[in-house]
Amino acid sequence: DTGVSQDPRHKITKRGQNVTFRCDPISEHNRLYWYRQTLGQGPEFLTYFQNEAQLEKSRLLSDRFSAERPKGSFSTLEIQRTEQGDSAMYLCASSSRGRTGANVLTFGAGSRLTVL
Amino acid sequence: DAKTTQPNSMESNEEEPVHLPCNHSTISGTDYIHWYRQLPSQGPEYVIHGLTSNVNNRMASLAIAEDRKSSTLILHRATLRDAAVYYCILRDTNFGNEKLTFGTGTRLTIIP
Repeated sequence: DTGVSQDPRHKITKRGQNVTFRCDPISEHNRLYWYRQTLGQGPEFLTYFQNEAQLEKSRLLSDRFSAERPKGSFSTLEIQRTEQGDSAMYLCASSSRGRTGANVLTFGAGSRLTVL
Repeated sequence: DAKTTQPNSMESNEEEPVHLPCNHSTISGTDYIHWYRQLPSQGPEYVIHGLTSNVNNRMASLAIAEDRKSSTLILHRATLRDAAVYYCILRDTNFGNEKLTFGTGTRLTIIP
């Protein structure tokens, strides 16, 4: 098992363009999370999937952001009409079944977005 | 979500023990205490978690106060590889509250 994989690792785009990030979780994990992290801050929760169902979305996730997990395996996070404020590290994590509160998250290395 | 308070930064000498404190005075009976760390240019990494009793694993120990209003992450012998931001997080066991809420953590510097 290679852990949580994220692609691409780095993306530079111009303002107004659309970008998509992909996350491949650990294969037996049914829960998947997206976070965003800006410099000097801790990661901020964006959204959470259990299997293919998106169960929670943060108010940070504006209507320009959409996340999917079509078959309950990999997930994509798309940002439409990017703005400079979207520049951040986008982190994906997954976790297995287990009692809520006790299960642990495994994070990927992140996808760094720079919007010019 | 119940909040945690951590010092912004700490320094420790290499090969010495490190005690990282965390206050969580509003913790509820169903909150687990989790610690994650984030090495430079990497995603966060799970360290340890506990509910009421002290816990040990290969990475660290977690000492939980009897009233559960504070906890301490103990690195028994710090190495340069332990330089990271350490996050203390409360995680509710109630079904449906899945997310981890990170604060700004403690930046640990290890002095060679």
